[in-house]
Amino acid sequence: IAGITQAPTSQILAAGRRMTLRCTQDMRHNAMYWYRQDLGLGLRLIHYSNTAGTTGKGEVPDGYSVSRANTDDFPLTLASAVPSQTSVYFCASSDSQNSPLHFGNGTRLTVT
Amino acid sequence: GQNIDQPTEMTATEGAIVQINCTYQTSGFNGLFWYQQHAGEAPTFLSYNVLDGLEEKGRFSSFLSRSKGYSYLLLKELQMKDSASYLCAVMDSNYQLIWGAGTKLIIKP
Repeated sequence: IAGITQAPTSQILAAGRRMTLRCTQDMRHNAMYWYRQDLGLGLRLIHYSNTAGTTGKGEVPDGYSVSRANTDDFPLTLASAVPSQTSVYFCASSDSQNSPLHFGNGTRLTVT
Repeated sequence: GQNIDQPTEMTATEGAIVQINCTYQTSGFNGLFWYQQHAGEAPTFLSYNVLDGLEEKGRFSSFLSRSKGYSYLLLKELQMKDSASYLCAVMDSNYQLIWGAGTKLIIKP
């Protein structure tokens, strides 16, 4: 079944550790996104990529980095995790700029 | 600044009709999206409006007035499975999505 796969599903991480959240899509979508979702707040964009080889900063990029080596994969790295990065992280993709987003199932990250 | 407002929570009865409102102030407009998100799951696309008027899709309809910066999602013949959060998102002039915090809809038998 075509879609977006995120891994891991959940993770408890000690503060200061490095962590990479994985995201893979098989729909050949050009654009990919990383969002975080916190209670009482709307989805907030961390980083995005309009096409393979390019990335851009969203609303809340500090403490996160991404790469887009190919069309399918868009990993998100936390270089040195802090408790404020405790959140649910969603990866999404879209065919073009104003197409609907397809979301992965999310990664629930707890930083202690 | 850019802002999306929608009610935090609404309650409705199974079989009834409910209207979820969304007002927005954004830098430009390239369309408005509604997504449904069940607890613990990913958001899923419901509707897209870019022109004024009503778009109907089965039990769900979405309305847009660009001059008023206003949209609503209308859910008819409510079912228990419609209990979810409904997210309004507006695409601004830079094609960036601005998200509301979501409306949690509780359906009672």
